[in-house]
Amino acid sequence: AQSVTQLDSQVPVFEEAPVELRCNYSSSVSVYLFWYVQYPNQGLQLLLKYLSGSTLVESINGFEAEFNKSQTSFHLRKPSVHISDTAEYFCAVSPRTGANNLFFGTGTRLTVIP
Amino acid sequence: DARVTQTPRHKVTEMGQEVTMRCQPILGHNTVFWYRQTMMQGLELLAYFRNRAPLDDSGMPKDRFSAEMPDATLATLKIQPSEPRDSAVYFCASGLPPGSGYTFGSGTRLTVV
Repeated sequence: AQSVTQLDSQVPVFEEAPVELRCNYSSSVSVYLFWYVQYPNQGLQLLLKYLSGSTLVESINGFEAEFNKSQTSFHLRKPSVHISDTAEYFCAVSPRTGANNLFFGTGTRLTVIP
Repeated sequence: DARVTQTPRHKVTEMGQEVTMRCQPILGHNTVFWYRQTMMQGLELLAYFRNRAPLDDSGMPKDRFSAEMPDATLATLKIQPSEPRDSAVYFCASGLPPGSGYTFGSGTRLTVV
């Protein structure tokens, strides 16, 4: 079975400050890892994913996430946030074999303060 | 960019009425999910299809919900009869596993009064 834990339900941060959104997972099988972003009144958009290779993955808008197998974590970071980054962020895992379902965490609401 | 299309975007209905939500997955995607999102429960998986065959619908209340894929370009989610507790945003997502990440539609916001 798989589960995803996002410890912080809300993260307020000042504009241009760094931010880290935490994600830990539990799985009995090897998984792919994802971060999705949801802006108000919109659907979820894929932000970045880890499939294999380098454990550090980056998105086009400055976010990065690092896969840490020993700590079963996939934390999301950005060195300097913008007002437009205000959104809900969801971490998800998908088993590499079998049903390839998507298991989501409960989300972290990032609020960037001017 | 290819997108997953969901209709309607908004639906207000009275308790007891039938509701049908539709999803057009991205052409070529062989996997379709239905999720429900509420403030209290977050994202809940309702149903999951691979090559139009249902793989998992254990998250769906069987007495009132049904999900089908009559063809590769259409997935439907029906609620009959609807209840106020069904009020939520319903998302459809499609993809090509493994590792594709899946693309979500914009959702159907359902309000049952």
